[in-house]
Amino acid sequence: EDQVTQSPEALRLQEGESSSLNCSYTVSGLRGLFWYRQDPGKGPEFLFTLYSAGEEKEKERLKATLTKKESFLHITAPKPEDSATYLCAVCTSYGKLTFGQGTILTVHP
Amino acid sequence: DAGVTQSPTHLIKTRGQHVTLRCSPISGHKSVSWYQQVLGQGPQFIFQYYEKEERGRGNFPDRFSARQFPNYSSELNVNALLLGDSALYLCASSFRTSGGADTQYFGPGTRLTVL
Repeated sequence: EDQVTQSPEALRLQEGESSSLNCSYTVSGLRGLFWYRQDPGKGPEFLFTLYSAGEEKEKERLKATLTKKESFLHITAPKPEDSATYLCAVCTSYGKLTFGQGTILTVHP
Repeated sequence: DAGVTQSPTHLIKTRGQHVTLRCSPISGHKSVSWYQQVLGQGPQFIFQYYEKEERGRGNFPDRFSARQFPNYSSELNVNALLLGDSALYLCASSFRTSGGADTQYFGPGTRLTVL
């Protein structure tokens, strides 16, 4: 059975304090790994798709990387508006996404 | 362009009742997936439909059913509601089903409360 584990469960940062979120996965045949951002009471907002080990993608203050067993979401000089829950998901067949439990990020001004 | 839309936004039902949730995908997208998100957890896969056919089903009881219409919109039906069905129900659309891994774009969700 596919498993996705995110760490830490919660992360508190000061504005400008860079850090990384981890997503570890155990799957049989990874087709893609996705990162989403979710604000309270709203649907997940797509951030990145990674398809193969060694791939990296960037968007503003966020950078996602992928290895054969885990993915990292690096946040550089975060701002309070980056506060949200960050979800990692893997796709192994017919478009089914298996999600981790999420990392709650809080950035204090 | 409009994103994925879902209706209603909020819904309150009592145990044993039936509920229908609706989803309209992004224009041009032919695949719709449904997820259940309980507070504090990541979304859990319920169904995927592509070209009006069920392509995948998660580990949910037969009380959950869905269908996709010719215009690619979709309905999720839940019968005999239980307190544990209270959750945020999310619909996601993608251009096609996955041979690869198409990006799924999520709607705002329907918040279902079962009393």
